[in-house]
Amino acid sequence: GAGVSQSPSNKVTEKGKDVELRCDPISGHTALYWYRQSLGQGLEFLIYFQGNSAPDKSGLPSDRFSAERTGGSVSTLTIQRTQQEDSAVYLCASSLDRLQLFFGSGTQLSVL
Amino acid sequence: GDSVTQMEGPVTLSEEAFLTINCTYTATGYPSLFWYVQYPGEGLQLLLKATKADDKGSNKGFEATYRKETTSFHLEKGSVQVSDSAVYFCALSKSYNTDKLIFGTGTRLQVFP
Repeated sequence: GAGVSQSPSNKVTEKGKDVELRCDPISGHTALYWYRQSLGQGLEFLIYFQGNSAPDKSGLPSDRFSAERTGGSVSTLTIQRTQQEDSAVYLCASSLDRLQLFFGSGTQLSVL
Repeated sequence: GDSVTQMEGPVTLSEEAFLTINCTYTATGYPSLFWYVQYPGEGLQLLLKATKADDKGSNKGFEATYRKETTSFHLEKGSVQVSDSAVYFCALSKSYNTDKLIFGTGTRLQVFP
């Protein structure tokens, strides 16, 4: 596609359920990033994939969060046993040269 | 730790007014600085950047100068348009590339005709 695509655009879930958020990066972009934006907060780095290297997971807030990137393209962010504080907009970005990020429109996650 | 502070919004202006959105940062070393913009219904996109002190980034009539002495990277535009209405994010990176950007909270700009 022409840009970074994220799905779903909105997700409402109950506390304790698991959720999966999907990101389709721009074709050919080797770097992929996940950020989240909680209400009133700046964007918070979560995880970064670069090619076949081991991902930088230093921003993941707890072991309930995990992400994978299959075939160097699509990425899935999984949140297990969701909590209300996980409610946020989850943003995915990709980059060809690691000098400019291209963001998707995000997934609005609401945990009831 | 490293951080970015932006002025709170919304900033409300009439068309053709002068715009300043303040951004200050705290970081060790020599970070690169960025402004990203998010138009309604769209993803964030890079507006401009500066990678060293005294550099001026510019794009679409917007400018920002990297001031190390005041640790600032204020965004300015001489004459705003309704189409500039968006949320503007200031960000820094500790390296030359954009890995692990640290963002501010964003400033909403509303421009009325």
